[in-house]
Amino acid sequence: EAQVTQNPRYLITVTGKKLTVTCSQNMNHEYMSWYRQDPGLGLRQIYYSMNVEVTDKGDVPEGYKVSRKEKRNFPLILESPSPNQTSLYFCASSTYKRGQLNTEAFFGQGTRLTVV
Amino acid sequence: AQSVTQLDSHVSVSEGTPVLLRCNYSSSYSPSLFWYVQHPNKGLQLLLKYTSAATLVKGINGFEAEFKKSETSFHLTKPSAHMSDAAEYFCVVSDLPLTGGGNKLTFGTGTQLKVEL
Repeated sequence: EAQVTQNPRYLITVTGKKLTVTCSQNMNHEYMSWYRQDPGLGLRQIYYSMNVEVTDKGDVPEGYKVSRKEKRNFPLILESPSPNQTSLYFCASSTYKRGQLNTEAFFGQGTRLTVV
Repeated sequence: AQSVTQLDSHVSVSEGTPVLLRCNYSSSYSPSLFWYVQHPNKGLQLLLKYTSAATLVKGINGFEAEFKKSETSFHLTKPSAHMSDAAEYFCVVSDLPLTGGGNKLTFGTGTQLKVEL
């Protein structure tokens, strides 16, 4: 079954304690990205990756890091979480061909993070 | 630059009546447009997509949307609402970037659909 898997689904942590949210896809997609969802703001892109070892900032990258060492995995790292990073996070993947429009993104189930 | 405006943050309808969720977009070229649905405590599910083929797009669960370039709109409709349609709906645009990286999705702020008996 084609899917994007995020872990954990729920996480409560304290300010400053480093954490990693994992994301894995089994569709051999080139493009992966992270979004955060906040009430009234929709989803906003944090970081994206067009392929292995190729990552770039999205609209709200401050306080986050990513890596793309393997095609299937795209972890989101919060080195020193703060309460304003409390949010619902989604990982997504899609195919990517330069010069071609996006056809569809597949989303994980989401990770609800609370930083106290 | 691409952007999306969902004109209503909340829509309430009675079961069996039509649904209209409005979306206007802005993009530099001819974009891809999507509607995603999010049920409570669930992930995002693709309802339908427009990628420069037919302007009237049919999706799952009886939803459809019409791409109108002259009006820069992509409104979502359903002839008859069902209780199970209650959810949050997101209009999404994806355009070819001016430089480099592609496939960025820009989300609207969402429309919460309530269906009453």
